[in-house]
Amino acid sequence: GAGVSQSPRYKVAKRGQDVALRCDPISGHVSLFWYQQALGQGPEFLTYFQNEAQLDKSGLPSDRFFAERPEGSVSTLKIQRTQQEDSAVYLCASSLVGPNNQPQHFGDGTRLSIL
Amino acid sequence: QKEVEQNSGPLSVPEGAIASLNCTYSDRGSQSFFWYRQYSGKSPELIMSIYSNGDKEDGRFTAQLNKASQYVSLLIRDSQPSDSATYLCAVGHGSSNTGKLIFGQGTTLQVKP
Repeated sequence: GAGVSQSPRYKVAKRGQDVALRCDPISGHVSLFWYQQALGQGPEFLTYFQNEAQLDKSGLPSDRFFAERPEGSVSTLKIQRTQQEDSAVYLCASSLVGPNNQPQHFGDGTRLSIL
Repeated sequence: QKEVEQNSGPLSVPEGAIASLNCTYSDRGSQSFFWYRQYSGKSPELIMSIYSNGDKEDGRFTAQLNKASQYVSLLIRDSQPSDSATYLCAVGHGSSNTGKLIFGQGTTLQVKP
């Protein structure tokens, strides 16, 4: 596709369950970012990949959050033992090359609700 | 102090007027600045990028950057009801080599017919 594709669009899980969120970046984009957006707030950085290398994971809120991009294309954000505070929209963005100065293009996000 | 600050609004302007959206940032090392538009329930959409001091125009949009004052703004001329959305200011993290963006909380713009 032409844009960043994320799936699922909506995910409801019970507290304590594990979830996996998928991101398929724009073809040829080297850099991939994950952000978390709470209601009424701007997105907050979680982690960054350049190709398959995870170069920055400083924004991951706890060790329950894990991201991977094994072949330098599709990425998965996994949240283990979900908590209610994990409820948010998870946005994936990609850019042509890293690092700074390149505009990032966002997917439609996954809206995660933890019951 | 937040790294990127915006007035949450709402900013209300009549149709056809100029809407002025403002943003300040704290990291003097920042080199890249972006404005995103976000409709309710949708993803952020890039509308402007600016890297040098001064003005950058694209259609009805003008971005203004003043690094000395750590200030970036977005002007929307001839505002239309379809411009009603939340506008997010994003700043490239200056000391980071990863390109991560620091976002403000967004300003809600309402354009009234």
